[in-house]
Parts: sequence; C-alpha cells; structure tokens
Amino acid sequence: EMQLLESGGGLVQPGGSLRLSCAASGFTFSDYAMTWVRQAPGRGLEWVSAIGGTGSATYYTDSVKGRFIISRDNFRNTLSLQMNTLRAEDTALYYCVKTLRENFNGFGERLDFWGQGALVSVSS
Amino acid sequence: DIQLTQSPSSLSASVGDRVTITCRASQRISTYLNWYQQKPGKAPKLLIYDASSLQSGVPSRFSGSGSGTDFTLTISSLQPEDFATFYCQQSYGTPLITFGGGTKVEI
Repeated sequence: EMQLLESGGGLVQPGGSLRLSCAASGFTFSDYAMTWVRQAPGRGLEWVSAIGGTGSATYYTDSVKGRFIISRDNFRNTLSLQMNTLRAEDTALYYCVKTLRENFNGFGERLDFWGQGALVSVSS
Repeated sequence: DIQLTQSPSSLSASVGDRVTITCRASQRISTYLNWYQQKPGKAPKLLIYDASSLQSGVPSRFSGSGSGTDFTLTISSLQPEDFATFYCQQSYGTPLITFGGGTKVEI
C-alpha cells in the first residue's frame, strides 16, 4: 500500500527555520518526481516546490525561491523541505505529493497521491 | 503567469442533481488540466486528468471536458459523499503548477 507520511511541522517565529520530511513507502520512490503543495488555513492549494526522481532537478514557486530547499534521499525513500527565513504567510498545511513521472517538466503534471500533511505555523 | 478562474466559488445542490463546475485559464493550455476533490480535513484526491480522463477508481458519474482555455467538471448525479471542494490544476508553463481557487459543493 502506498504511503506518504509527513513530519517536522510546528510553530516557529518569523525569520526562523523548519525542516519537513516525508517518508515514502509502497512504491519505487526514485522512479517518481515529488512535490510539496501547501494550503493556508481556510484557503486554496498552492504548489511550492518539485524535485525530479534523481534529485538533480529542482523547481520552486517564486515566493519561496532563495528561502526553501527541496531534496530527496532515494536510499532512505525520504523527501525533505528545508524552510528558512519563514514568514507569517508561509503558515499552512504542507502536503507531500507524488507525481506520475520521473522527470518534472511542468507539462501535463499530475499529482496522483497525497500525504495527510504537516502543519507549519509562523507566528511570534 | 497562467491563472485559473473557477466558477462558481460555491454552490448548493441536492442529492441526484447534475452539477457543473467551470475552470477558465488565462491562456491556452491544451488539455493539461486536472481536477481534484478535497473533503474537509482530508488531502485532495485526483479525479480527472488531461481534461477528460477518469483516474482509476473514480466513479463514472464524474466527467471532464474542454481544451484550450475553457474546461468543465460534471457530476451527473450528485451523491452524499460528493459534497466537497473541487479544484482545477494546470501545468503548462511557469509557474509550473497552478490551482484554481476552488468550488465548494454543499447542500
């Protein structure tokens, strides 16, 4: 059975850092690009970042470029999101999401399996 | 940037109703349009991909259509378990993935 289990969420002050992890199981992790999608309380979905199956290609939405770093460990089947210089507007539930292909090229990307999310709250 | 506008933002319907939700892209995106369903407190679930293909395991009462800039999600006969928020999503350019604002379907 496919599973994605996020961890590492919590309360952090503005300007602080947090690292999210996602443990994957039930599929060949290295065969698929992975993404992070977030949802602010009571709001819609926002794509944050993506990484190809080998880990060599990474992508970010403009609002997190230079602050967030996505990475993966294909030996441990783990996806990570290092979040630095956090702002109040980064407060959200962060979902770890599997895509359909190894390479993430932005065309026809399909998010076919979602974790349950990790809550990040940025507040003083 | 490509933007997706969903309408309506919310609707009230009854069990057995035919429900239609639209999603309009700010520029042509071929058929690179997917639909998701999100129930309260749950993660989104992929329903329709490439505008009109039904994801495995999704009931056939869900269907999608459209290409270019105008897309539609239809529920042919609304069931109690279908009350949720629905999102469209595109991937055709930068930013690499964007979502519509969502449509809440409620009783």
